[in-house]
Amino acid sequence: AQSVTQLDSHVSVSEGTPVLLRCNYSSSYSPSLFWYVQHPNKGLQLLLKYTSAATLVKGINGFEAEFKKSETSFHLTKPSAHMSDAAEYFCVVSDSPGGSYIPTFGRGTSLIVHP
Amino acid sequence: DGGITQSPKYLFRKEGQNVTLSCEQNLNHDAMYWYRQDPGQGLRLIYYSQIVNDFQKGDIAEGYSVSREKKESFPLTVTSAQKNPTAFYLCASSTSGGPTYEQYFGPGTRLTVT
Repeated sequence: AQSVTQLDSHVSVSEGTPVLLRCNYSSSYSPSLFWYVQHPNKGLQLLLKYTSAATLVKGINGFEAEFKKSETSFHLTKPSAHMSDAAEYFCVVSDSPGGSYIPTFGRGTSLIVHP
Repeated sequence: DGGITQSPKYLFRKEGQNVTLSCEQNLNHDAMYWYRQDPGQGLRLIYYSQIVNDFQKGDIAEGYSVSREKKESFPLTVTSAQKNPTAFYLCASSTSGGPTYEQYFGPGTRLTVT
């Protein structure tokens, strides 16, 4: 069975400082991992995904994430926060070799950016 | 432009009434999904469909129904049996066939039942 835990429900940073959103996963197989972003009252947009290629994955808007199998983690980082980064972020795992491939969502981390 | 559309953006209904939320995609995706989002609870899967004329219950299907008569369309009906229907509803689609494919989401419908 697959599961995902987002370790912080809220993260608060100042504009221009680094961002770290933490995600741990559990999977019995080789998982695919995703980060999505959701701005208020909008749908989700894919930031980046890991699918067993390079362990350091670069995404849109300067975000990147590193897949660490030994730590079962897939943390999302950005060197310098921008006000427009304030949003909800979801970590997602998908393995399900039985054929359904239904992804499992974390509960989300709300990123707050202070001027 | 390819994408997913959901309509309407806001929907208001009286308790006891059924209501249908629309979801259409022109991405030629086989798989489609309905999620419910409540504050602090992330996304919970209601129903999903991996092919036309077939769909499966998700984690919280009680009080909901769906149909998949066309590849492009996956409407969700919120019935009067759903005890707490007020929520934000998101539709998504993806290429089926493996766990590596990301989902594409619509803009959502906010349903308020009073």
